Amino acid sequence: GQQVMQIPQYQHVQEGEDFTTYCNSSTTLSNIQWYKQRPGGHPVFLIQLVKSGEVKKQKRLTFQFGEKKKNSSLHITATQTTDVGTYFCAGPGSGGYQKVTFGTGTKLQVIP
Amino acid sequence: GAGVSQSPSNKVTEKGKDVELRCDPISGHTALYWYRQSLGQGLEFLIYFQGNSAPDKSGLPSDRFSAERTGGSVSTLTIQRTQQEDSAVYLCASSPRLAENTEAFFGQGTRLTVV
Repeated sequence: GQQVMQIPQYQHVQEGEDFTTYCNSSTTLSNIQWYKQRPGGHPVFLIQLVKSGEVKKQKRLTFQFGEKKKNSSLHITATQTTDVGTYFCAGPGSGGYQKVTFGTGTKLQVIP
Repeated sequence: GAGVSQSPSNKVTEKGKDVELRCDPISGHTALYWYRQSLGQGLEFLIYFQGNSAPDKSGLPSDRFSAERTGGSVSTLTIQRTQQEDSAVYLCASSPRLAENTEAFFGQGTRLTVV
């Protein structure tokens, strides 16, 4: 079945350093979404990418969708303590777009 | 309501007992989803509803799990004869429509502990 893996699983960075998480799917995705889950909280939608090679920015966050639409990345410039949380990518499942498959997640810890 | 509401927020139950988890989606959202998140893990898809209909129940972990939705609004996830491995946070999400390019709005979840 479809697998969506993220690396790294954990990342500790000093405040002000950059951070990148990578999402890799075993199958081509029609679109990919990114969510952030704060400690003890619930996932919150960040963005959706649809086009091959698409790049979108939200302030210090840059999202990219691979040319072959099988991978994606999230890059945070100059991390802040408010960036702490787990970042998940998500895409349509192999069983249908309704069965959204979430990646394994990358847990980010920012050291002040 | 303003967001997706789930109740209870926490539930501790004895092994073998049945539990019912409730989800109240955002008003007007036709699509509703249930996920399970074990401690420190990712989200495991369980089931989705389009209106009151759940066309595919294959994501439910076992036949002890069932879900229903009435009136196109509130949904309940029922776990019968709970087991310790059922302990997890159960998250509900809703979307304005069941379509490929719509974001999901999550509730705060129900933390289920089976002792």
